[in-house]
Amino acid sequence: EVQLLESGGGFVQTGGSLRLSCTASGFTFGSYPMSWVRQSPGKGLEWVSYIDGSGDSAYYADSVKGRFTISRDNFKNTLYLQMNSLRAEDAAVYYCMGYYSWGLGTLVTVSS
Amino acid sequence: EIVMTQSPATLSMSPGEKAALSCRASQSVSSNLAWYQQKPGQAPRFLIYGASKRATGIPARFSGSGSGTEFTLTISSLQSEDFAVYYCQQYNTWPRTFGQGTKVEIK
Repeated sequence: EVQLLESGGGFVQTGGSLRLSCTASGFTFGSYPMSWVRQSPGKGLEWVSYIDGSGDSAYYADSVKGRFTISRDNFKNTLYLQMNSLRAEDAAVYYCMGYYSWGLGTLVTVSS
Repeated sequence: EIVMTQSPATLSMSPGEKAALSCRASQSVSSNLAWYQQKPGQAPRFLIYGASKRATGIPARFSGSGSGTEFTLTISSLQSEDFAVYYCQQYNTWPRTFGQGTKVEIK
């Protein structure tokens, strides 16, 4: 069974940093691209970032480019999202997505 | 950026009815389109990829069609568990973009 489990969310002040993790199981993690998608309360889905299976290529939404960094450790079957210079508008549930599956999400709250 | 437009915003249906949800892309995305289902308080769930291929475990009452700029998700006979919000997403071009969602509610 494919499982994606996010962690690392929490409360952070404006301008602060957080690192999200997503631990994968049930598939050959290093063979598949992964993405982060977020959802602000009561809103729709917003694609945030993508990384290919090897970790060599990454793409970002304009809204996070230069502030967020996606990475992966294929030995640990783990996907990461380093989020710096956080803004109020970054507050959302962050989901990892890959291999036709979604994680349960982790909540990021940003406040001044 | 490709804009994905879903219609209608809300679909009021009765169990057993056939539902057709539309997704339109502002430029061609070929068949690089996925559909997701999201119920309140839950994570989204993969339904369809490649415009028409059902993900593992998805019931046959869900079907996807279309290519280019016009896509449809059809639910042949609505079950109680199908009342939810549905999103389309293109993965043809960067940045990936989602539609705003269609809520299928009980009439």
